[in-house]
Amino acid sequence: GENVEQHPSTLSVQEGDSAVIKCTYSDSASNYFPWYKQELGKGPQLIIDIRSNVGEKKDQRIAVTLNKTAKHFSLHITETQPEDSAVYFCAASMSSWGKFQFGAGTQVVVTP
Amino acid sequence: NAGVTQTPKFQVLKTGQSMTLQCAQDMNHEYMSWYRQDPGMGLRLIHYSVGAGITDQGEVPNGYNVSRSTTEDFPLRLLSAAPSQTSVYFCASIRDTEAFFGQGTRLTVV
Repeated sequence: GENVEQHPSTLSVQEGDSAVIKCTYSDSASNYFPWYKQELGKGPQLIIDIRSNVGEKKDQRIAVTLNKTAKHFSLHITETQPEDSAVYFCAASMSSWGKFQFGAGTQVVVTP
Repeated sequence: NAGVTQTPKFQVLKTGQSMTLQCAQDMNHEYMSWYRQDPGMGLRLIHYSVGAGITDQGEVPNGYNVSRSTTEDFPLRLLSAAPSQTSVYFCASIRDTEAFFGQGTRLTVV
């Protein structure tokens, strides 16, 4: 089955700096790659996603890139703010049935 | 529009006890899933459903049962709780490819 590895497990950045989280996946049949943000005591919330027919997608300060050949995708957060502090999960999926394989998560801490 | 509602938020069980975690959604989504979240392991799929009356196993189904009698509800049953089932459980309702998660149930089995 699909296996998703996520790095780093923790990331501390100064406010205003950029943050990058990287994920690799194993199954070339995966075609949908969402990123979820989880704040303390809450459920994960979708922040951005990318499909396998696209190499890059951007939404304001966040962007995701996908390299299908290398089977890896990354989340980029620019001009980080304290409210970006959270746990971020990458995931991979081959269907729309809610069957996601999640990475282990990255704890991002933005210090003022 | 409440989205996905999970109850209870917290629960402590003794080993061997059974209980049902409730999940309800008001978005009329066909697809629903249950995940468990453990430190350093992300979220792992327990069971999922593609519609009323249809369920299937995910990655870690042992010790859990589900049923889907209505579109709105997708309860998760622990048959005989074990300490290894101590975790945070999330229910999700899926529209197209986007998953909408509930607030979670923190379960401790002692």
